[in-house]
Parts: sequence; structure tokens; C-alpha cells
Amino acid sequence: GEDVEQSLFLSVREGDSSVINCTYTDSSSTYLYWYKQEPGAGLQLLTYIFSNMDMKQDQRLTVLLNKKDKHLSLRIADTQTGDSAIYFCAESMDNNDMRFGAGTRLTVKP
Amino acid sequence: KAGVTQTPRYLIKTRGQQVTLSCSPISGHRSVSWYQQTPGQGLQFLFEYFSETQRNKGNFPGRFSGRQFSNSRSEMNVSTLELGDSALYLCASSLSGQNNEKLFFGSGTQLSVL
Repeated sequence: GEDVEQSLFLSVREGDSSVINCTYTDSSSTYLYWYKQEPGAGLQLLTYIFSNMDMKQDQRLTVLLNKKDKHLSLRIADTQTGDSAIYFCAESMDNNDMRFGAGTRLTVKP
Repeated sequence: KAGVTQTPRYLIKTRGQQVTLSCSPISGHRSVSWYQQTPGQGLQFLFEYFSETQRNKGNFPGRFSGRQFSNSRSEMNVSTLELGDSALYLCASSLSGQNNEKLFFGSGTQLSVL
């Protein structure tokens, strides 16, 4: 995952908003994804955004894409303790050859 | 509908041995991808199969191989195991492997090489 970078840790209080940031290097990426991984489980797709979009909102999740700066962010509104997990940013061009970031461990404190 | 099933859940092997991991995709899914997850390297793409053909391959040595059967079930094999092969191996399936399809991951096989 050298092509996709994320900060490793984020800690927030329950009810606050969480913002997880990601930068990528491949400007030809067509899709960018956010996955969630809980302990002992596989990856769960949270949301994805096509590279010609700037923003996508899905309930408590908001994805912002700055294609010029190759910066992607995931905002979780009203963060709950159940949101504690590792969040992976990923990019791909085709055929599921996805490149993942190292993951951001989100800790939500009550 | 059953999810992606990977077996076994845990595996312990010694250096030099070989191992075979199995993945059953969601019914109707024809694309199966394999990923290796380690603390040091993160998630890395191994290969993707569609209709029994390897369609895409990541940057792993030839000791890592795979195949897909006519029922879309897939196996991956690692020969001559090394300590660095210890990892969580994740399988993912989708309908046809297109980017706008949702990719469903299994819970993984945790391989420990001693």
C-alpha cells in the first residue's frame, strides 16, 4: 500500500464527527473506496465514489474527493462506539486490482 | 444468501510446507479475488479469477498460485512456505469483477508459518 496513505490512528468521543483522510498517487484511478474491518472479520464496503464526483453522502457517511490534490476523506457523523474499527481507503482502475491504504484505527470513547 | 466462505479459518504450518486455502463465493458471483493482509505490508492484491481464468495478478512470487473451478469456487496455493507468508488471506467475490460492483469479502484464513 505505498500508493495509498492514511494516518494510522484516530480517537474521537461518542457523538462527535470523525474524519478519516487518505491520499493516493494514481491519477488514473477510476474508483475510490472506503472499507471497514472489525476484529476477526473481513472487509465490509462502506461506500465508494467515482473519480468524476466530488462528494457522496449516504446517511451518516460523507465522502469528499479532491481529485486535483488526490485526497479522499470519509466523515462519519454522530460517531458511535459501534463505529470503532479499522477503516481502509482503496483505489482501483479495473478488475478488482485494488490498492489499499494501511488502514486507520478509529477508537470511539464513550 | 450465504456470504463468502473461506476455509479453514486458521492454519498453522512450518517452513517449507505447502498450503491450500479455499474460497466459496456468493452464489452467482463469478469473480474471485485474493488478498494478503499483514501488519507490515497492509492489504495486497494477489490475483483475480473469472470463469476459471486468471485475469489479473499482483506482484507476488510464483510460489503463490491459484485456480478457479467451474462452480466459481477458488483455491489458492502457497508452496515452500516462508515465515513471511504468515498473514490473513482474504478472498472477495463479485458478480463479474467490474469496478462498480460491490466486492464481498470473506472473514479470511489466518495462516501462521512457524
